[in-house]
Amino acid sequence: DTGVSQDPRHKITKRGQNVTFRCDPISEHNRLYWYRQTLGQGPEFLTYFQNEAQLEKSRLLSDRFSAERPKGSFSTLEIQRTEQGDSAMYLCASSLTQGTYNEQFFGPGTRLTVL
Amino acid sequence: AQTVTQSQPEMSVQEAETVTLSCTYDTSESDYYLFWYKQPPSRQMILVIRQEAYKQQNATENRFSVNFQKAAKSFSLKISDSQLGDAAMYFCAYRDGGSQGNLIFGKGTKLSVKP
Repeated sequence: DTGVSQDPRHKITKRGQNVTFRCDPISEHNRLYWYRQTLGQGPEFLTYFQNEAQLEKSRLLSDRFSAERPKGSFSTLEIQRTEQGDSAMYLCASSLTQGTYNEQFFGPGTRLTVL
Repeated sequence: AQTVTQSQPEMSVQEAETVTLSCTYDTSESDYYLFWYKQPPSRQMILVIRQEAYKQQNATENRFSVNFQKAAKSFSLKISDSQLGDAAMYFCAYRDGGSQGNLIFGKGTKLSVKP
């Protein structure tokens, strides 16, 4: 266990529904990242926060996706009007900016299936 | 844009033997970091080993070592004395030194360990 938790672990939804995922990082970590991993691929970066500020967003993050980290602790990722192409594993990671490597610790992921 | 390529989708090794996983990357940056992550089936991704580009000495962590060839932009992972618990997906990842931001992953190599 890396100390990063995600909820739910699995989500099955119908096309067009909205879904929200939660990530709880390691408590002292000020950076939080979201990645998406589809079958047979490595994780792809979506967005990241430093404290409560969203500093970077990938072009993969369409208008239907929104992420928040309101108090600089946990984060939520919402997908509106889900599409079948949104089916993937959504990974959260956290890191501390102090130090050289800023090692990212990953959560177990939320597997989304859109029917 | 930076890219990471893992040319071996699957590898197999006999228990107690040595295996090398390949990774090449492309970047115009001089300051960057390279990582190998392990993702066991249905479990969290964990960091195996990391390397700073400015360090010529290859990183080593117990049975895991890397062969970092900066000019060739190659970063291979060697696993010695392979164990059944080493069976997993292995991802090579890159991060710019300045941005301290997201990781760029390869597609991964699935390693099987035969008893």
